[in-house]
Amino acid sequence: AQKITQTQPGMFVQEKEAVTLDCTYDTSDPSYGLFWYKQPSSGEMIFLIYQGSYDQQNATEGRYSLNFQKARKSANLVISASQLGDSAMYFCAMREAANFNKFYFGSGTKLNVKP
Amino acid sequence: DAGVIQSPRHEVTEMGQEVTLRCKPISGHDYLFWYRQTMMRGLELLIYFNNNVPIDDSGMPEDRFSAKMPNASFSTLKIQPSEPRDSAVYFCASSLSKGAGEYGQPQHFGDGTRLSIL
Repeated sequence: AQKITQTQPGMFVQEKEAVTLDCTYDTSDPSYGLFWYKQPSSGEMIFLIYQGSYDQQNATEGRYSLNFQKARKSANLVISASQLGDSAMYFCAMREAANFNKFYFGSGTKLNVKP
Repeated sequence: DAGVIQSPRHEVTEMGQEVTLRCKPISGHDYLFWYRQTMMRGLELLIYFNNNVPIDDSGMPEDRFSAKMPNASFSTLKIQPSEPRDSAVYFCASSLSKGAGEYGQPQHFGDGTRLSIL
């Protein structure tokens, strides 16, 4: 079974609007961390935000927030007030306590922000 | 602070040639990872090191691939002989280890090496 599933290969959003990128995960480990990375067309992988499995509140970093629904095993990324520079691939990733230093990455979502 | 540094940024070579990719992790990081990214297979973990020791190389595709980490500040990924199907973007990443219950340390990626084998 896939550890991380991103079901949206591509998405469009209008500039200045909010957008949600979906991520579901599969683990039986009670302790884990969830991450989102951004990969612009230039190719680098940029860490955006982290959510721990025991965190009570959703993580936020500037315009990025993580909508963490533990029972549903979902960790959606919300980008508020989209900007043209947000156009990129976005990857969801997970690490589990049992194999702490192995990251599982999803297949990514390509976000296009329209002016 | 300097991030993860990879070289070269681009490499174009002919099939059969030896290719060496280089990585300098972030100073103080004790884990180093090599990934390969292709359109077909996405991001694949090839191998990772802890304190310069290879821990898991189950992702290395075949014997043509080898990786070394002679010291804490340098690692290489070598392909010999190279084949066209090895064309991909190769990323190096590093991270700090944390104790149990702390999972917030992200992996920090280099800018990648775009490898083309003709």
